[in-house]
Amino acid sequence: GAVVSQHPSRVICKSGTSVKIECRSLDFQATTMFWYRQFPKKSLMLMATSNEGSKATYEQGVEKDKFLINHASLTLSTLTVTSAHPEDSSFYICSVDRAATGELFFGEGSRLTVL
Amino acid sequence: AQKITQTQPGMFVQEKEAVTLDCTYDTSDQSYGLFWYKQPSSGEMIFLIYQGSYDEQNATEGRYSLNFQKARKSANLVISASQLGDSAMYFCAIARLLIQGAQKLVFGQGTRLTINP
Repeated sequence: GAVVSQHPSRVICKSGTSVKIECRSLDFQATTMFWYRQFPKKSLMLMATSNEGSKATYEQGVEKDKFLINHASLTLSTLTVTSAHPEDSSFYICSVDRAATGELFFGEGSRLTVL
Repeated sequence: AQKITQTQPGMFVQEKEAVTLDCTYDTSDQSYGLFWYKQPSSGEMIFLIYQGSYDEQNATEGRYSLNFQKARKSANLVISASQLGDSAMYFCAIARLLIQGAQKLVFGQGTRLTINP
């Protein structure tokens, strides 16, 4: 079964609204989760490292006020795309690291379409 | 900074043939990990194989093997006896170990593999 659950898998929203995407670790606690963004036919680009109980670490060029990350518990990280615009339309995917074993697990991804 | 280069945007292979997907990397880290993932059209990322920088033997997982040449900084994926279901995007990635023990991945551009019947 799935180790990481990501929800919603697809979301369509109007320009100017905010959208929240959840990433849940189902089998183990995770102090660190990662958020990636993937444009069509392109590679995954790391957006930020989500740290439980502290601020996320954003990659260069990623607007932290635009992409709010909250890692309030050891099993849940959320990515909120604020005031979404059509250029924010993309595939967002999270990954969870089981540090004890070195295994990395990815969520199913969330396809965001901003009209 | 770490960098992964996949020079083959697309590959076309006949079913049952072996295929090699190229991956070269650049890193200043002494210890690192190399991953290969498969991404079908559904978007999920499927883990295929992992190679640690200090592993002396090439990693193998079923039909997948990793041709690791550390001096050349290459980590090519070899798929033996290809199947129609192998058609997908393939990503090579390098991992940096963070202080907290988690692994941060940098991905290559990907190679779209198409298996022809």
